[in-house]
Amino acid sequence: QGQLVESGGGLVKPGGSLRLSCTASGFSFSDYYMSWIRQSPGKGLESISYINMGGGMVKYADSVRGRFTISRDNAKNSVDLQMTSLGVDDTAVYYCARGDQWLDAFDLWGQGTTVIVSS
Amino acid sequence: IQMTQSPSSLSASIGDRVTITCRASQPITNNLNWYQHKPGRAPKLLISGASTLSGGVSSRFSGSGSGTVFTLTISGLQPEDFALYYCQQSFGPPPRTFGQGTKVEI
Repeated sequence: QGQLVESGGGLVKPGGSLRLSCTASGFSFSDYYMSWIRQSPGKGLESISYINMGGGMVKYADSVRGRFTISRDNAKNSVDLQMTSLGVDDTAVYYCARGDQWLDAFDLWGQGTTVIVSS
Repeated sequence: IQMTQSPSSLSASIGDRVTITCRASQPITNNLNWYQHKPGRAPKLLISGASTLSGGVSSRFSGSGSGTVFTLTISGLQPEDFALYYCQQSFGPPPRTFGQGTKVEI
């Protein structure tokens, strides 16, 4: 079925940077698109970035465009999210999710990693 | 594409039939997914394509709708069903938007 494990979360000051990683196992990583989805305190799920199977197409939500960069390494079965110019509104649990191109849905999620932006 | 769920929360009892509605700001054919999210756990795909039950998901869950209005129904609510439920459109370009969530509580 597979597993996704996120890492890299933590406490960072406003204006700072952080890099999240998600390591996949148990499935053919390159057969799936990947996304990062976050949940801010008291709010719902927000899909913030997308990368296609080969890594050649990336998309971002308006809230993070220009500040966040998604990348993947199919040889290492990993997808990263480089976050810069962090603000308090970026405080959230960040989930890595696998996208099935046939279902066109996120059929596998990680447990999440927490990012807190605070001075 | 904006997704709006109603209600935002509901109270129900074991055995109840519960219906959650999701409305899209424009037609999305049947490109609608439903997820269940429990605190501290990874969200779980329940339904894709508006009505196709994901593997291993109880048949208590069902989905319907097309165009702009969709529903998730839980028939015979069980203790493990108390959670947050989200709809998500898969019609527009990524990143795909979620509804704001519906909390199902006792």
